[in-house]
Amino acid sequence: AQKVTQAQTEISVVEKEDVTLDCVYETRDTTYYLFWYKQPPSGELVFLIRRNSFDEQNEISGRYSWNFQKSTSSFNFTITASQVVDSAVYFCALSGGGAAGNKLTFGGGTRVLVKP
Amino acid sequence: DAGVIQSPRHEVTEMGQEVTLRCKPISGHNSLFWYRQTMMRGLELLIYFNNNVPIDDSGMPEDRFSAKMPNASFSTLKIQPSEPRDSAVYFCASSPRDRSNQPQHFGDGTRLSIL
Repeated sequence: AQKVTQAQTEISVVEKEDVTLDCVYETRDTTYYLFWYKQPPSGELVFLIRRNSFDEQNEISGRYSWNFQKSTSSFNFTITASQVVDSAVYFCALSGGGAAGNKLTFGGGTRVLVKP
Repeated sequence: DAGVIQSPRHEVTEMGQEVTLRCKPISGHNSLFWYRQTMMRGLELLIYFNNNVPIDDSGMPEDRFSAKMPNASFSTLKIQPSEPRDSAVYFCASSPRDRSNQPQHFGDGTRLSIL
């Protein structure tokens, strides 16, 4: 069975501080995909990034960066120089191959509160 | 491009009533998913369809819940009879193909309150 754990339930920072969100996953699949989604206060779920299990290159997109480490089954997400608009709940998710298709298993989410 | 469209956005009804939630996936997407989000259980997959066919309904909580996808552009999730514990936000999502590397794109959700 697949499992995603986001140990941090809530993080509070002051604007311009960096924020790192932890994500640890469990899967028996050799090929799998990891995702991050953002849920702002308005409630919708917004897709941010997807990583493949066979590509451990870290990625930077603007103020966002992701650190994928297969050896520790972690896929962490960092917001650099946080802004009030970054306040949201962030979800890490996992999908595996085979018969599971693209079923997503979500972590419990981490609420980020950025104070001005 | 239009995203996933869900209706209604909010629904308040009394226990025992039938509730129907609607979803229009992104045009050209072959996979459609229904999720439920609650504080206690987080985001749970209820059912998903591929090419209008239900593939996995193991997340459907009980017989009171049913879902249909009569064509590629429309799906419904029905609860009959509804109970207060069904109160949640229900999301519909679609993706281009039934492959695990495809991101799912979510609608804005339906906030359901059963009194």
